Amino acid sequence: QQQVRQSSQSLTVWEGETAILNCSYENSAFDYFPWYQQFPGEGPALLIAIRSVSDKKEDGRFTIFFNKREKNLSLHIKDSQPGDSATYFCAASANAGAKLTFGGGTRLTVRP
Amino acid sequence: GPKVLQIPSHQIIDMGQMVTLNCDPVSNHLYFYWYKQILGQQMEFLVNFYNGKVMEKSKLFKDQFSVERPDGSYFTLKIQPTALEDSAVYFCASSLLKDTQYFGPGTRLLVL
Repeated sequence: QQQVRQSSQSLTVWEGETAILNCSYENSAFDYFPWYQQFPGEGPALLIAIRSVSDKKEDGRFTIFFNKREKNLSLHIKDSQPGDSATYFCAASANAGAKLTFGGGTRLTVRP
Repeated sequence: GPKVLQIPSHQIIDMGQMVTLNCDPVSNHLYFYWYKQILGQQMEFLVNFYNGKVMEKSKLFKDQFSVERPDGSYFTLKIQPTALEDSAVYFCASSLLKDTQYFGPGTRLLVL
């Protein structure tokens, strides 16, 4: 049973659109949710993270919406750019610094 | 952002041989992690390490695996002996405290 699940393996949007990447989790003990961006041949890079005490976290074009009751969260990328084309991983941990449990990733393609 | 380096980037070895994967974590970080990613699958936690000791390990961290950070230099993952199923990309991560984990670019290990 996957503890962290990303509903779409791939997503394609047009430049300028808002990309929405979804994630759900099973373990109620998870309280820290980072999103990582990964380009081919590179390691994951932290994009934005949220703790379960919040329901929204915004950083520039990136926003996380978090629903603790439903155990799901989503990453919104506003004004998508071709340079945002990458794989995005949702991850979770029971406390920051503990092991991260990763979702399967969503490969985002932004078409110009 | 903070950089984690991994050496080598690629390694090909014969089954049964020993391999050591090296990680150069962010200089002032105190917590260290290894994750494994098999092609097309989720990234999975192997082990984390603090103050010279393994804090937690997963079922994937077999008896043939060991980690150490001698003299505060590289954080290493040693596999002895290797098996075919050890072929994967291994990512090292580090964090200052129990907070954001920064990942290296990975070592691609192929066991023949």
